[in-house]
Amino acid sequence: DAMVIQNPRYQVTQFGKPVTLSCSQTLNHNVMYWYQQKSSQAPKLLFHYYDKDFNNEADTPDNFQSRRPNTSFCFLDIRSPGLGDAAMYLCATSRERQGGIPQHFGDGTRLSIL
Amino acid sequence: AQTVTQSQPEMSVQEAETVTLSCTYDTSESDYYLFWYKQPPSRQMILVIRQEAYKQQNATENRFSVNFQKAAKSFSLKISDSQLGDAAMYFCAYRSGLTTSGTYKYIFGTGTRLKVLA
Repeated sequence: DAMVIQNPRYQVTQFGKPVTLSCSQTLNHNVMYWYQQKSSQAPKLLFHYYDKDFNNEADTPDNFQSRRPNTSFCFLDIRSPGLGDAAMYLCATSRERQGGIPQHFGDGTRLSIL
Repeated sequence: AQTVTQSQPEMSVQEAETVTLSCTYDTSESDYYLFWYKQPPSRQMILVIRQEAYKQQNATENRFSVNFQKAAKSFSLKISDSQLGDAAMYFCAYRSGLTTSGTYKYIFGTGTRLKVLA
């Protein structure tokens, strides 16, 4: 059974048109992460939530926002996508007491920008 | 600033043989975690193994083991009895201790693509 679910699997949007990617988890983990992974590159952490506390990476563009309405769901909002934002976006979860290490990943959402 | 370096962009191993993937890192911290992730083609990232820096004993998970050399800042992954299903991109990663801002710093290496030859 899938434990971290990302929807949609593929997303196409237009240049400058806001887009939202979603992630849900059935693990009841209190930490959720969003990563951006471009082709043949390492994942880059954008931000993470520790419970309701939002932690933004210093170099994450302002164009990227996130919401976590409850433990199970987390959203990634890209306000005005540019061509450089085309990438795979990975959601991950962890239990804090296990060292806050991303443990379970979703299948990712591949975002294309037209 | 912390860094993670994987100097082998690609490795090959014969099925049933053993292969070692290298990873070095740089940090001034004493409290941190290191881990290896596996990302098969078009499939989700999987946490393979983790190592707490304060533990001297090398972590082992079935056919996967690490050689953690803290003084040398080296964290290599050994895969024994390689199987076709081990073919994937392997990422070495680092998680810092708690920062002054109350968060952790996560850094991934650039990855090593492992090919398993039948």
